Amino acid sequence: QVQLQQPGAELVRPGASVKLSCKASGYSFTSYWMNWVKQRPGQGLEWIGMIHPSDSETRLNQKFKDKATLTVDKSSSTAYMQLSSPTSEDSAVYYCARMGDGFFAYWGQGTLVTVSA
Amino acid sequence: EIVLTQSPAITAASLGQKVTITCSASSSVSYMHWYQQKSGTSPKPWIYEISKLASGVPARFSGSGSGTSYSLTISSMEAEDAAIYYCQQWNYPYTFGGGTKLEIK
Repeated sequence: QVQLQQPGAELVRPGASVKLSCKASGYSFTSYWMNWVKQRPGQGLEWIGMIHPSDSETRLNQKFKDKATLTVDKSSSTAYMQLSSPTSEDSAVYYCARMGDGFFAYWGQGTLVTVSA
Repeated sequence: EIVLTQSPAITAASLGQKVTITCSASSSVSYMHWYQQKSGTSPKPWIYEISKLASGVPARFSGSGSGTSYSLTISSMEAEDAAIYYCQQWNYPYTFGGGTKLEIK
């Protein structure tokens, strides 16, 4: 079965970048777009961007173009999202979500990022 | 960017009551998807491509709509349906509605 494994939490100092991981299993990693979605506490969902693992083609929400960098490691079937210069506004749960038929068909459990000194 | 406006933001229904949640798009979209999220868990795909039920979704749920107006309907509210529901459109950049919190009355 499709699984997307994410660390439960990350504590980040303001201004220090953080790289979040999403390890995929149960399907052909290079066949589907991988998305990242942000959810601030008590708030709605924001699409950050997506990457196709076969060739690393990336499509980013322009709102996050200076904040998020998406990469993949095909050898370990892992997708990554690096957040640069985090501030308190970046404290949120970040989900990876695999595309399927144009919607987010499978979701990871999310990583809670806390930006704090 | 297409803005999705859901209404109501919060609603409560009695068990057995019919529930309708609407999602209005700022521009016409071809497809709308819906997700269910319960507290402390990841969103789950619920209805995709306007009206197709995701795996495991009870038949009391249905979706409809076109253009700029879409809806999710529960024919008969059950306790397990209490959750937050989000709509999502599939044009770039993907956007979500603000969510509708459905509670039991």
